[in-house]
Amino acid sequence: AQKITQTQPGMFVQEKEAVTLDCTYDTSDQSYGLFWYKQPSSGEMIFLIYQGSYDEQNATEGRYSLNFQKARKSANLVISASQLGDSAMYFCAMREAGAGSYQLTFGKGTKLSVIP
Amino acid sequence: NAGVTQTPKFRILKIGQSMTLQCTQDMNHNYMYWYRQDPGMGLKLIYYSVGAGITDKGEVPNGYNVSRSTTEDFPLRLELAAPSQTSVYFCASSYNYVYNEQFFGPGTRLTVL
Repeated sequence: AQKITQTQPGMFVQEKEAVTLDCTYDTSDQSYGLFWYKQPSSGEMIFLIYQGSYDEQNATEGRYSLNFQKARKSANLVISASQLGDSAMYFCAMREAGAGSYQLTFGKGTKLSVIP
Repeated sequence: NAGVTQTPKFRILKIGQSMTLQCTQDMNHNYMYWYRQDPGMGLKLIYYSVGAGITDKGEVPNGYNVSRSTTEDFPLRLELAAPSQTSVYFCASSYNYVYNEQFFGPGTRLTVL
Protein backbone atom coordinates (compact mmCIF):
# COMPACT_ATOMS: atom_id res chain seq x y z
CA ALA A 1 0.00 0.00 0.00
CA GLN A 2 1.17 3.49 -0.76
CA LYS A 3 2.17 5.50 2.27
CA ILE A 4 1.38 8.85 0.63
CA THR A 5 -1.41 9.27 -1.91
CA GLN A 6 -1.99 12.38 -3.95
CA THR A 7 -5.02 11.75 -6.13
CA GLN A 8 -4.88 14.92 -8.25
CA PRO A 9 -2.23 14.68 -10.97
CA GLY A 10 -3.06 18.19 -12.13
CA MET A 11 -5.06 21.16 -10.89
CA PHE A 12 -6.01 24.53 -12.33
CA VAL A 13 -6.85 27.60 -10.27
CA GLN A 14 -7.70 31.16 -11.17
CA GLU A 15 -5.28 33.79 -9.95
CA LYS A 16 -6.28 35.24 -6.53
CA GLU A 17 -8.51 32.26 -5.71
CA ALA A 18 -7.84 29.58 -3.11
CA VAL A 19 -6.99 25.98 -3.98
CA THR A 20 -6.79 22.75 -1.99
CA LEU A 21 -4.32 20.00 -2.84
CA ASP A 22 -5.24 16.61 -1.42
CA CYS A 23 -2.97 14.23 0.47
CA THR A 24 -3.79 11.07 2.40
CA TYR A 25 -1.25 9.01 4.30
CA ASP A 26 -0.88 5.59 5.84
CA THR A 27 1.17 4.87 8.94
CA SER A 28 0.95 2.85 12.13
CA ASP A 29 3.37 5.14 13.96
CA GLN A 30 2.07 7.50 16.63
CA SER A 31 4.81 10.04 15.97
CA TYR A 32 5.17 11.33 12.46
CA GLY A 33 5.52 14.55 10.54
CA LEU A 34 3.74 15.60 7.37
CA PHE A 35 5.43 17.99 4.97
CA TRP A 36 4.63 19.83 1.79
CA TYR A 37 7.32 20.75 -0.73
CA LYS A 38 7.05 22.88 -3.83
CA GLN A 39 9.07 22.08 -6.95
CA PRO A 40 9.01 24.82 -9.58
CA SER A 41 10.07 24.17 -13.15
CA SER A 42 13.64 25.09 -12.18
CA GLY A 43 13.73 21.83 -10.22
CA GLU A 44 14.67 22.71 -6.65
CA MET A 45 12.71 21.37 -3.68
CA ILE A 46 11.28 24.16 -1.54
CA PHE A 47 9.92 23.37 1.92
CA LEU A 48 6.52 24.99 2.52
CA ILE A 49 4.91 23.73 5.71
CA TYR A 50 4.79 20.85 8.13
CA GLN A 51 2.35 19.31 10.62
CA GLY A 52 3.36 17.15 13.55
CA SER A 53 1.15 14.22 14.47
CA TYR A 54 0.59 15.58 17.97
CA ASP A 55 -0.17 19.12 16.87
CA GLU A 56 -3.75 19.99 17.72
CA GLN A 57 -3.95 23.08 15.57
CA ASN A 58 -3.57 23.19 11.81
CA ALA A 59 -0.25 24.59 10.67
CA THR A 60 -0.12 27.90 8.79
CA GLU A 61 2.72 29.68 7.00
CA GLY A 62 1.71 32.86 5.24
CA ARG A 63 -0.63 31.92 2.38
CA TYR A 64 -0.18 28.21 3.08
CA SER A 65 -2.21 26.24 5.56
CA LEU A 66 -2.46 22.55 6.23
CA ASN A 67 -5.88 21.03 6.83
CA PHE A 68 -4.95 18.14 9.12
CA GLN A 69 -7.62 15.53 9.81
CA LYS A 70 -5.87 12.85 11.83
CA ALA A 71 -8.75 10.39 12.04
CA ARG A 72 -9.13 10.45 8.27
CA LYS A 73 -5.35 10.44 7.77
CA SER A 74 -5.45 13.41 5.50
CA ALA A 75 -3.17 16.45 5.31
CA ASN A 76 -4.43 18.73 2.58
CA LEU A 77 -2.54 21.86 1.55
CA VAL A 78 -4.57 25.03 1.12
CA ILE A 79 -3.07 27.91 -0.84
CA SER A 80 -4.97 31.16 -0.46
CA ALA A 81 -4.93 34.03 -2.96
CA SER A 82 -3.08 32.07 -5.65
CA GLN A 83 -0.33 33.83 -7.56
CA LEU A 84 1.21 33.06 -10.94
CA GLY A 85 4.41 32.06 -9.14
CA ASP A 86 2.52 29.27 -7.38
CA SER A 87 2.48 27.28 -10.62
CA ALA A 88 4.63 24.23 -9.78
CA MET A 89 4.61 20.60 -8.68
CA TYR A 90 3.58 20.09 -5.08
CA PHE A 91 4.65 17.04 -3.09
CA CYS A 92 3.23 15.73 0.14
CA ALA A 93 5.70 13.75 2.24
CA MET A 94 5.89 11.99 5.61
CA ARG A 95 8.60 11.22 8.15
CA GLU A 96 7.90 8.40 10.59
CA ALA A 97 9.53 8.01 13.97
CA GLY A 98 9.53 4.22 13.59
CA ALA A 99 11.73 4.42 10.52
CA GLY A 100 15.32 4.62 11.74
CA SER A 101 16.28 6.58 8.69
CA TYR A 102 13.77 9.36 9.34
CA GLN A 103 13.50 9.46 5.58
CA LEU A 104 10.86 11.38 3.73
CA THR A 105 8.36 9.23 1.86
CA PHE A 106 6.87 11.20 -1.01
CA GLY A 107 3.64 11.11 -2.94
CA LYS A 108 3.65 11.36 -6.73
CA GLY A 109 2.82 15.03 -6.67
CA THR A 110 0.19 17.41 -8.01
CA LYS A 111 0.93 19.85 -10.80
CA LEU A 112 -0.73 23.17 -10.06
CA SER A 113 -1.30 25.67 -12.84
CA VAL A 114 -2.42 29.19 -11.95
CA ILE A 115 -4.44 30.90 -14.68
CA PRO A 116 -4.24 34.70 -15.03
CA ASN B 1 25.20 29.30 5.26
CA ALA B 2 25.39 27.69 1.84
CA GLY B 3 23.01 24.92 2.96
CA VAL B 4 23.27 21.78 0.85
CA THR B 5 25.43 22.00 -2.25
CA GLN B 6 25.69 19.44 -5.04
CA THR B 7 28.03 19.09 -7.99
CA PRO B 8 27.76 18.73 -10.89
CA LYS B 9 24.43 20.24 -11.95
CA PHE B 10 24.28 18.27 -15.18
CA ARG B 11 26.13 15.25 -16.50
CA ILE B 12 25.88 12.92 -19.48
CA LEU B 13 27.41 9.47 -19.10
CA LYS B 14 27.90 6.63 -21.51
CA ILE B 15 26.69 3.17 -20.56
CA GLY B 16 29.29 1.47 -18.37
CA GLN B 17 31.00 4.66 -17.19
CA SER B 18 31.28 5.56 -13.53
CA MET B 19 31.02 8.84 -11.68
CA THR B 20 30.68 10.39 -8.25
CA LEU B 21 28.01 12.92 -7.33
CA GLN B 22 29.24 15.26 -4.63
CA CYS B 23 27.14 16.56 -1.74
CA THR B 24 28.19 18.89 1.07
CA GLN B 25 26.19 20.50 3.86
CA ASP B 26 27.30 23.16 6.34
CA MET B 27 24.48 22.90 8.89
CA ASN B 28 26.15 20.22 11.03
CA HIS B 29 23.30 17.79 10.34
CA ASN B 30 23.88 14.19 11.31
CA TYR B 31 21.40 12.75 8.83
CA MET B 32 22.04 12.90 5.12
CA TYR B 33 20.15 11.33 2.21
CA TRP B 34 20.32 10.62 -1.46
CA TYR B 35 17.08 10.54 -3.44
CA ARG B 36 16.35 10.06 -7.09
CA GLN B 37 13.41 11.54 -8.95
CA ASP B 38 12.25 9.94 -12.17
CA PRO B 39 10.10 11.97 -14.60
CA GLY B 40 6.62 12.68 -13.26
CA MET B 41 7.30 10.93 -9.96
CA GLY B 42 8.08 11.72 -6.37
CA LEU B 43 11.48 11.16 -4.82
CA LYS B 44 12.73 7.72 -3.79
CA LEU B 45 15.45 7.08 -1.22
CA ILE B 46 18.67 5.53 -2.49
CA TYR B 47 20.94 5.62 0.58
CA TYR B 48 21.10 7.46 3.85
CA SER B 49 23.58 8.13 6.61
CA VAL B 50 22.98 8.79 10.29
CA GLY B 51 26.49 10.09 10.93
CA ALA B 52 30.09 9.87 9.82
CA GLY B 53 31.03 6.28 9.09
CA ILE B 54 27.43 4.98 9.16
CA THR B 55 25.41 4.40 6.01
CA ASP B 56 22.49 2.21 5.03
CA LYS B 57 20.40 1.29 2.02
CA GLY B 58 17.14 2.93 1.12
CA GLU B 59 14.41 1.80 -1.26
CA VAL B 60 16.41 1.76 -4.54
CA PRO B 61 20.13 1.16 -3.75
CA ASN B 62 21.12 -1.13 -6.63
CA GLY B 63 23.86 0.31 -8.82
CA TYR B 64 24.97 2.88 -6.24
CA ASN B 65 27.43 3.17 -3.38
CA VAL B 66 28.01 5.81 -0.73
CA SER B 67 30.53 6.74 1.90
CA ARG B 68 30.48 9.21 4.79
CA SER B 69 33.91 10.04 6.14
CA THR B 70 32.94 13.47 7.52
CA THR B 71 29.77 15.08 8.85
CA GLU B 72 29.74 17.51 5.93
CA ASP B 73 30.23 15.26 2.90
CA PHE B 74 28.12 12.42 1.50
CA PRO B 75 29.19 11.43 -2.03
CA LEU B 76 27.16 9.04 -4.19
CA ARG B 77 29.04 6.71 -6.50
CA LEU B 78 27.52 5.28 -9.68
CA GLU B 79 29.33 2.21 -10.96
CA LEU B 80 28.72 0.87 -14.48
CA ALA B 81 26.08 3.43 -15.43
CA ALA B 82 22.90 2.12 -17.06
CA PRO B 83 20.08 3.97 -18.89
CA SER B 84 17.78 3.14 -15.95
CA GLN B 85 19.89 5.49 -13.83
CA THR B 86 18.87 8.47 -15.93
CA SER B 87 17.22 10.65 -13.32
CA VAL B 88 17.52 13.75 -11.18
CA TYR B 89 19.47 13.15 -7.98
CA PHE B 90 18.86 15.13 -4.83
CA CYS B 91 20.98 15.20 -1.73
CA ALA B 92 19.30 16.26 1.53
CA SER B 93 20.20 16.69 5.17
CA SER B 94 18.36 17.15 8.45
CA TYR B 95 18.43 16.78 12.18
CA ASN B 96 17.41 13.35 13.48
CA TYR B 97 13.98 14.50 14.55
CA VAL B 98 10.76 13.52 12.85
CA TYR B 99 9.33 17.02 13.04
CA ASN B 100 12.20 18.77 11.27
CA GLU B 101 12.14 19.34 7.55
CA GLN B 102 14.87 18.05 5.28
CA PHE B 103 16.97 20.58 3.40
CA PHE B 104 17.59 19.75 -0.22
CA GLY B 105 20.41 20.52 -2.59
CA PRO B 106 19.65 21.90 -6.06
CA GLY B 107 19.86 18.49 -7.73
CA THR B 108 22.00 16.81 -10.38
CA ARG B 109 20.41 15.94 -13.70
CA LEU B 110 22.07 12.77 -15.01
CA THR B 111 21.54 11.25 -18.43
CA VAL B 112 22.98 7.85 -19.35
CA LEU B 113 23.19 7.15 -23.07
